[in-house]
Amino acid sequence: QSALAQPASVSGSPGQTIAISCTGSSSDIGDYDYVSWYQHRPGKAPRLMIFDVTTRPSGVSNRFSGSKSGNTASLTISGLQAEDEADYYCSSYTTNTTHVFGSGTKVTV
Amino acid sequence: QVQLQESGPGLVKPSQTLSLSCTVSRGSVTSGSYYWSWIRQPAGKGLEWIGRVSTGGSPSYNPSLKSRVTISIDPSKNQFSLNLTSVTAADTAVYYCAGVTSNYHFWSGYYTYWFDPWGQGTLVTVSS
Repeated sequence: QSALAQPASVSGSPGQTIAISCTGSSSDIGDYDYVSWYQHRPGKAPRLMIFDVTTRPSGVSNRFSGSKSGNTASLTISGLQAEDEADYYCSSYTTNTTHVFGSGTKVTV
Repeated sequence: QVQLQESGPGLVKPSQTLSLSCTVSRGSVTSGSYYWSWIRQPAGKGLEWIGRVSTGGSPSYNPSLKSRVTISIDPSKNQFSLNLTSVTAADTAVYYCAGVTSNYHFWSGYYTYWFDPWGQGTLVTVSS
């Protein structure tokens, strides 16, 4: 199975808003609300930021939000801060009862 | 909150079997609250889902690895494990174990899933 498509990098200045896209197909993202997002800093465990497309776990800043349209999901980070610099991955369950990750996006502040 | 910790050899020879364990603490591997999954990240590349298992359910594997992978649960040790056979240098990666949470959406009849918590990861190098 192919990785979900993400831009390799996105950058922004402190305080700005950026969006990361994640494109799949009708067999994964487009099928139901399967999308989750993860923040991954070097040497650390990935951290869940969004699940069920739009839901933030407890402890995640409300500067992070998720959305979906058709086969494409997006993670938006508003009020960009230096601490947001990391790699971000989307993930989706699929109709084949497997999971797939996105190719990853490096966010630079 | 459940915590996970990977363990196993950091160096495996080509053609041999890579075996890793994930110890579950502050919870039970048989509780039914989670599926249990393995994910890896080769250096400089993205995350790759390897597979998942649940108590009493059939395992599910990445089609690209399915012929070489087995994930199983050991209730006596409160662990789940990964076996990857016939390894090559391409299997060199940081390997993460993770719990998979599921949520049933009553009105649609769908389950959704996400990975949380995660272990810290362990580097496995395949080299002679």
